[in-house]
Amino acid sequence: AQKITQTQPGMFVQEKEAVTLDCTYDTSDQSYGLFWYKQPSSGEMIFLIYQGSYDEQNATEGRYSLNFQKARKSANLVISASQLGDSAMYFCAMREEDSSYKLIFGSGTRLLVRP
Amino acid sequence: ETGVTQTPRHLVMGMTNKKSLKCEQHLGHNAMYWYKQSAKKPLELMFVYNFKEQTENNSVPSRFSPECPNSSHLFLHLHTLQPEDSALYLCASRPRGSGGNEQFFGPGTRLTVL
Repeated sequence: AQKITQTQPGMFVQEKEAVTLDCTYDTSDQSYGLFWYKQPSSGEMIFLIYQGSYDEQNATEGRYSLNFQKARKSANLVISASQLGDSAMYFCAMREEDSSYKLIFGSGTRLLVRP
Repeated sequence: ETGVTQTPRHLVMGMTNKKSLKCEQHLGHNAMYWYKQSAKKPLELMFVYNFKEQTENNSVPSRFSPECPNSSHLFLHLHTLQPEDSALYLCASRPRGSGGNEQFFGPGTRLTVL
């Protein structure tokens, strides 16, 4: 069974508008972490935002916010005021309670920002 | 500047060649990772090193041989690869004591096996 599911292979958004990228996860651990990474065409994975399973408030980092709904096991990324430079692949990832702190990634969503 | 560097950025090799990928970080991180990103597939963890010791091998074929001589360097030695091994190979490192435990990635090596 997939641990991280991103159901949107591709998304379009108009410049300056907000967009939500979906992510659902599956784990039986009580302690885990959720991450979003951005991958431009250059290939580098850029860390955007982190949410811990015990964090009571949704994480925010500038124009990025994470809509964490624990009961639904969802961790959607919200990008406000989209910019052309936001066009990229976006990956949701999870770290389970594991000493290796390895990340399990979803299949990604390609976001295209239209001018 | 990414803080994690990888060389070479691009590599084309034949199936009988032997080559090595290099990853380097001077961020004081104590864990390093190799990931493989094939076309249309999620990133797959290959190896994990903590304090230079391999703590995870995700059922990777023996034609991939990692080496971690110190906490700043990580290598991936390649030999007798197959065309299906063509992919983007990403290295990552993780800092000590970070509340987020995020991994910092290098730019990757795009490998093509002919």
